[in-house]
Amino acid sequence: EGQLLESGGAVVHPGGSLRLSCTASGFTLSGYALSWVRQAPGKGLEWVTTISPSGRSYHAESVKGRFAISRDNSKNSMSMEMNSLRVEDTAVYYCARVLEKWLVQDAFDMWGQGTAVTVAS
Amino acid sequence: QFVLTQSPSASASVGASVKLTCTLSSGHTNFAVAWHQKQPERGPRFLMKVNSDGSHKKGDGIPDRFSGSSSGAERYLTISGLQSDDEAEYYCQTWSVDLSWVFGGGTKLTVL
Repeated sequence: EGQLLESGGAVVHPGGSLRLSCTASGFTLSGYALSWVRQAPGKGLEWVTTISPSGRSYHAESVKGRFAISRDNSKNSMSMEMNSLRVEDTAVYYCARVLEKWLVQDAFDMWGQGTAVTVAS
Repeated sequence: QFVLTQSPSASASVGASVKLTCTLSSGHTNFAVAWHQKQPERGPRFLMKVNSDGSHKKGDGIPDRFSGSSSGAERYLTISGLQSDDEAEYYCQTWSVDLSWVFGGGTKLTVL
């Protein structure tokens, strides 16, 4: 049984940048699609971005052009670069693993504990 | 637009059963969904994936009290023998052919 651990959350000003990381333990990330999901205060879960096992990325419209996801299989980790941050990006960000190896379109079957991002002036 | 609809709230007593519903939007009634449990200050927990035929695959360590089923455009999560620790928000999730992932609005379950 593996785990995912996020890091990098912080308080930033509007227009600022931040890099979140997600590291896996107990299993190898290689072969799995990986995602970021966020939950704004008092709101539900919102999909943000996904990276396929081969490195192709997919983004929600709300973050397209501002957020970029990447992975480093040698470090068993993935990251998300967040630019041009807005107040509405304030949320707890979770990394998640897609259920079946080598599939992209599938359920998320493993989640991290989350890292908090606050965008405020 | 792909939409998953959930009732905002549900309640049941300790020891009772509750059936939560997730409704798929028109044109997507054959899609599978996943159910996740979200408790305050904790990461979401994958419960199971429920297919259109009602078959389901549970996450590691999910007790038998949790089960899934389907009927038409609806996907269900049934929790039997409710415990106080089951009080949480429950989200359904699916994924579309245009490579986006969608969550329902969540159902807040209160255990009385």
